[in-house]
Amino acid sequence: SSELTQPPSMSVSPGQTASVTCSGDKLENYYVSWYQQKPGQSPVLVIYEDTKRPSGIPERFSGSNSGNTALLTISGTQAMDEADYYCQAWDSRSVVFGGGTKVTVL
Amino acid sequence: EVQVVESGGGLVQPGESLRLSCAASGFSFSNYAMNWVRQAPGEGLEWVSSISDTGGRTYYADSVKGRFTMSRDNSKNTLYLQLKSLRADDTAVYYCAKGATIGVGSPFDYWGQGTLVTVSS
Repeated sequence: SSELTQPPSMSVSPGQTASVTCSGDKLENYYVSWYQQKPGQSPVLVIYEDTKRPSGIPERFSGSNSGNTALLTISGTQAMDEADYYCQAWDSRSVVFGGGTKVTVL
Repeated sequence: EVQVVESGGGLVQPGESLRLSCAASGFSFSNYAMNWVRQAPGEGLEWVSSISDTGGRTYYADSVKGRFTMSRDNSKNTLYLQLKSLRADDTAVYYCAKGATIGVGSPFDYWGQGTLVTVSS
């Protein structure tokens, strides 16, 4: 998967579900990770191997990957979830990041 | 506690060189792949390079291939990135990131705070 495409931005109301898409050719053949980055901070891994949550990441974060699209879902979105989110995949020779999606909670 | 701490950034002129370091602690450094990722001001994340646990295999983004060299010293728990022939578009915060497993391509589970490289005349 040489290129990953994300929408630049999206908004969600508190308590609602945010779904961030990441598109790439035959993406389902690759493991996808997701990172959260808040302003002035380093990225944090929130989902890896498509669906797994690292220790300490809230259960409201979930992931899926099918066909050409991976999805990061934030259920019951909270104000603290406002951040940039990046998808990432490894294609055996290089790492690819999506362009990032700015999620605004309002 | 796992920590990776970058150093070595600064202001350099186009064409000059710089070496970044990343000091690792809190985990068995020699058992994990390591990575460099950069972020230009106001832009997204860009993968730069990755290195296997032993240092025997390295991978580079096309944008830096032939100019940057990644290496590691497992006896010192330290990762390096040698930057040569620097250009203005290399200006970015450079992050060191630990791989989650021994395998190159594993997720990046711990990130440093980054070190800023500014290339300007």
